[in-house]
Amino acid sequence: KNQVEQSPQSLIILEGKNCTLQCNYTVSPFSNLRWYKQDTGRGPVSLTIMTFSENTKSNGRYTATLDADTKQSSLHITASQLSDSASYICVVSAAGTNAGKSTFGDGTTLTVKP
Amino acid sequence: DADVTQTPRNRITKTGKRIMLECSQTKGHDRMYWYRQDPGLGLRLIYYSFDVKDINKGEISDGYSVSRQAQAKFSLSLESAIPNQTALYFCATRDRDAGELFFGEGSRLTVL
Repeated sequence: KNQVEQSPQSLIILEGKNCTLQCNYTVSPFSNLRWYKQDTGRGPVSLTIMTFSENTKSNGRYTATLDADTKQSSLHITASQLSDSASYICVVSAAGTNAGKSTFGDGTTLTVKP
Repeated sequence: DADVTQTPRNRITKTGKRIMLECSQTKGHDRMYWYRQDPGLGLRLIYYSFDVKDINKGEISDGYSVSRQAQAKFSLSLESAIPNQTALYFCATRDRDAGELFFGEGSRLTVL
C-alpha cells in the first residue's frame, strides 16, 4: 500500500531559527513529490516539486531535498518567520498505471514563536 | 477572484438533512477532486472526476455523492448528514496526472 509518513507531527521553534521537516514514502512507481503549505483555515498551496532526478530545490527560505533511493524528502526552513506557522504537507504522486494518484502525509504543524 | 471557489464556506446543519457543497473553477482544468480533512489527519479523497459526467470513487466515498455537469463545476452532496461527517471539505483541480493541485478555501461543515 502506498504510504507517506511525516515527522515530527508538530514542532515549535523561535523566530529566526531554522528547522527541518521529514517525509518518508513508499509510493511506487514514483512520479513526483510536492510540499504544500496550509495556513490555518485555508487551502494548501504548493511550495516545491521534486522529480526523480532532482536532489535539491529552493523556493526562497524553503529548501526541499529528495533521496529517491531511500525514498526520503526533507523541507528545510531557514530563518523562520511568524508567517511560517502552518501545516506542511508532503504529497507523493505515482506514475505508470497509478498515474494521477496522489498520497498525502498527515502533515507537520509548525508553530513559530516570537 | 479565487481560481477555485467553494460555497458555502461554513454550514451548520442537523442530522438527516441533505447538504450540497459546490465548487467552481476558472483554471480550465479537467480534473477535479473533493477531499475531507479532520483535525490531526491528512486529506482524504472522497470523489474525483477527469471530465464532465466522469465520476470516480475515492477512499472514503460512502455517504457522499457528486455531480459534474460542467467542466468548471463539481458538487458534493451528503444525502443524509450524520455527525461524523463534521469536517473541513476541500475542492481541488489539476491540469494533468501528477500535476500541482490547486485547492479552494475550504467548506467547514458541522452536523449536529
